[in-house]
Amino acid sequence: ETGVTQTPRHLVMGMTNKKSLKCEQHLGHNAMYWYKQSAKKPLELMFVYSLEERVENNSVPSRFSPECPNSSHLFLHLHTLQPEDSALYLCASSQGFGTANTEAFFGQGTRLTVV
Amino acid sequence: KQEVTQIPAALSVPEGENLVLNCSFTDSAIYNLQWFRQDPGKGLTSLLLIQSSQREQTSGRLNASLDKSSGRSTLYIAASQPGDSATYLCAVPMDSSYKLIFGSGTRLLVRP
Repeated sequence: ETGVTQTPRHLVMGMTNKKSLKCEQHLGHNAMYWYKQSAKKPLELMFVYSLEERVENNSVPSRFSPECPNSSHLFLHLHTLQPEDSALYLCASSQGFGTANTEAFFGQGTRLTVV
Repeated sequence: KQEVTQIPAALSVPEGENLVLNCSFTDSAIYNLQWFRQDPGKGLTSLLLIQSSQREQTSGRLNASLDKSSGRSTLYIAASQPGDSATYLCAVPMDSSYKLIFGSGTRLLVRP
């Protein structure tokens, strides 16, 4: 266990559905991230929250909507997705960033399939 | 713009062999470099973090080195085991920011 827990582990949704991914970290970190991993592509950063404020959007389509109610929880709300959004969605956390000993810890991911 | 490259893309070795995975980056002004392991369909497990002032980090059978001036890091795995089979990823933060730049990974298969 990495201290970062994601639910659900697998999700199949239709293009008209609304669903949410959840991430919880038990490490006392103050920064949380959403990454997307598509087949045969490097991980792509989607969103970053630091101290519950969004720092980076990274030009993600509005059908993905993040929410960070507190420093331990992060959500990714999904609506009207496309089949090309099918991917592994990974949550990560770190204690701040921009220092030599900033280490990122990842959850087990949610495998999303859009049908 | 920081770019991270990992070679080889895939590697197959018999059990017991020592092996080296390579990671290179284009901008040497990094704060640290992190090595991860990813099993199929799973998340990333942090293996080692090397700070920019360090040359090596060791954890069990794993040893990671960092040469900032040449933009290279290596992950050495001693006495490989079938359980080491996974994809290994390296990542560096983009300047002083939160954004990790990942390589495409090396897919390792250790044959019994």
